[in-house]
Amino acid sequence: DIQMTQSPSTLSASVGDRVTITCRASQSVRSWLAWYQQKPGKAPKLLIYDASRLESGVPSRFSGSGSGTEFTLTISSLQPDDFATYYCQQYNSYSGAFTFGPGTKVDVK
Amino acid sequence: EVQLLESGGGLVQPGGSLRLSCAASGFTFSNYAMSWVRQAPGKGLEWVSSISGSGGSTYYADSVKGHFTISRDNSKNTLYLQMISLRAEDTALYYCAKGPRWYMDVWGKGTTVTVSS
Repeated sequence: DIQMTQSPSTLSASVGDRVTITCRASQSVRSWLAWYQQKPGKAPKLLIYDASRLESGVPSRFSGSGSGTEFTLTISSLQPDDFATYYCQQYNSYSGAFTFGPGTKVDVK
Repeated sequence: EVQLLESGGGLVQPGGSLRLSCAASGFTFSNYAMSWVRQAPGKGLEWVSSISGSGGSTYYADSVKGHFTISRDNSKNTLYLQMISLRAEDTALYYCAKGPRWYMDVWGKGTTVTVSS
């Protein structure tokens, strides 16, 4: 099974900060990588798919990059609505299985 | 508007069974893979199972293989998750989510399953 790690687990930041979250896979997942945002009591929301494609309606301050085993989610200028937990997710095209990373909580500094 | 509405959760004793449903609307249901993802209280997201648009291919996490079964009725635009031999560690909020195959672009609000005596 492919294992996913995220760093940091918690990130304290201020409005306007540039924020970067890293996701690593235990083996190559090519570009089968998505990012989700989840707020307390709410369902996850898709932000990025195919490692770098922005989901329709998602603000352009969110961007994704990477391929293979290392990926990043960047928020160029953190807004009040962005305090949340962020998860990466990989898809294994051979087994059809998904794996989520453990999550990164972005909170107020 | 694309909508997913889960139902069927509740309190069940260890060893019991439940069937979750997810009613879909606003898109051509049979064209999309569907998945179940769960979240234990205070924990992260865990993929449970996925099914292809036709229903011909199914996939399971190792943690549920053999005691959960995913299915769909494309004539009713409904996704199901049959859960048997439930254990305390199956306690979670269960979300259904719409494909395509390699990510999940729309999620329901979830239904809560509590396994306890």
